[in-house]
Amino acid sequence: QVQLQESGPGLVKPSQTLSLTCTVSGGSISSGSYYWSWIRQPAGKGLEWIGRIYISGSTNYNPSLKSRVTISVDTSKNQFSLKLSSVTAADTAVYYCASFMSTTGTGPWGQGTLVTVSS
Amino acid sequence: QSVLTQPPSASGTPGQRVTISCSGSSSNIGSNYVYWYQQLPGTAPKLLIYRNNQRPSGVPDRFSGSKSGTSASLAISGLRSEDEADYYCAAWDDSLSGPNYVFGTGTKVTVL
Repeated sequence: QVQLQESGPGLVKPSQTLSLTCTVSGGSISSGSYYWSWIRQPAGKGLEWIGRIYISGSTNYNPSLKSRVTISVDTSKNQFSLKLSSVTAADTAVYYCASFMSTTGTGPWGQGTLVTVSS
Repeated sequence: QSVLTQPPSASGTPGQRVTISCSGSSSNIGSNYVYWYQQLPGTAPKLLIYRNNQRPSGVPDRFSGSKSGTSASLAISGLRSEDEADYYCAAWDDSLSGPNYVFGTGTKVTVL
């Protein structure tokens, strides 16, 4: 059973780049069955899709974040990553990595990791 | 900001049926599948419904989804205390910038 786990700094300074990694276990990230995604949720607010990557390297990003987001995959480590540049306090949120099966849209999520943007 | 609109709250007594609406547009719900998620306090969202009305393995049949035009609904029948949670609809939006997965504004369900 595929499981996902986020990791990365919990505190990032304004104007810097937020970097998170999602480690996939129990299955191969190269299987081709899933899209690998990032989603975030500010405290007390709703969910916001950040973007996704397919094993081919093809990506799609939320238009509102596209200029600042890069999602990449490292098949040798069975991981995919998120980079969000020029962060502000508005980027403070719980960040989830998630999998979406290409045929059904189903798939497991990570437990989430809180990232705070503050000096 | 969310492009799918949900009522902020819904409530019912144990055993009742509660329905949550999700309103979108032709570029999202009107042309793509709808998904529903349940988020218990302090936990990651859990997929309840996919492809408008399909339940993943393990999701009770008390939960059902439907779609008509540019709107969708989630129904919870036989409401139970453990159903108290936030519920979000979601759908792919065919924006000019490429596919964008949009979530609803969220509905907090309270079991009275």
